[in-house]
Amino acid sequence: QVQLVQSGAEVKKPGASVKVSCKASGYTFINYGISWVRQAPGQGLEWMGWSNTYRANTNYAQKVQGRVTMTTDTSTSKAYMELRSLTSDDTAVYYCGRDGGGYPDYWGQGTLVTVSS
Amino acid sequence: EIVMTQSPATLSVSPGERATLSCRASQSISSTLAWYQQKPGQAPRLLIYGASTRATGIPARFSGSGSGTEFTLTISSLQSEDFAVYYCQQYNNWPRTFGQGTKVEI
Repeated sequence: QVQLVQSGAEVKKPGASVKVSCKASGYTFINYGISWVRQAPGQGLEWMGWSNTYRANTNYAQKVQGRVTMTTDTSTSKAYMELRSLTSDDTAVYYCGRDGGGYPDYWGQGTLVTVSS
Repeated sequence: EIVMTQSPATLSVSPGERATLSCRASQSISSTLAWYQQKPGQAPRLLIYGASTRATGIPARFSGSGSGTEFTLTISSLQSEDFAVYYCQQYNNWPRTFGQGTKVEI
């Protein structure tokens, strides 16, 4: 069965960076992209970007462009999302999702990133 | 970017009743719309893609309709497990964008 398992919760100080991983299993990794979506406490879903696992190209939301890097490692079927220069506004649950057609059809369990001094 | 607007923000219904949720796009997106359900503390779950195609394992009481700029998610007879927040998302253009959500409550 398709599974996406994310890395554990993180606490970071303002200005630091965080790297969240997403391990995929149960399907052929290179046949699907990976989307990243975040959700601030009590708020809605915010699309952050998408990574093509096969061609290694990406598309990022303007709000995080310049601070985010999304990568994939086909040898381990893992995707990564690194976010730099963190502020309290980046406190959120970060989700990865398998994306074959523009929408995530399977989601990871989420990773809580807390930014606090 | 395409702005997705959902209404109402909160929908109060009783079990067994029909629920109708709306999603409007700021420009035409053809049928490139997905719907998700999210329960507290859980990841979103894909319900509908292509505006009207149910995802794998989604009960028939969930149906989607619409094209262009106006879309509807209908839950024909609400079950207790359907009380949740529902989001629409367009995938016609980059960046992908979500609506702000509709909370379905008792």
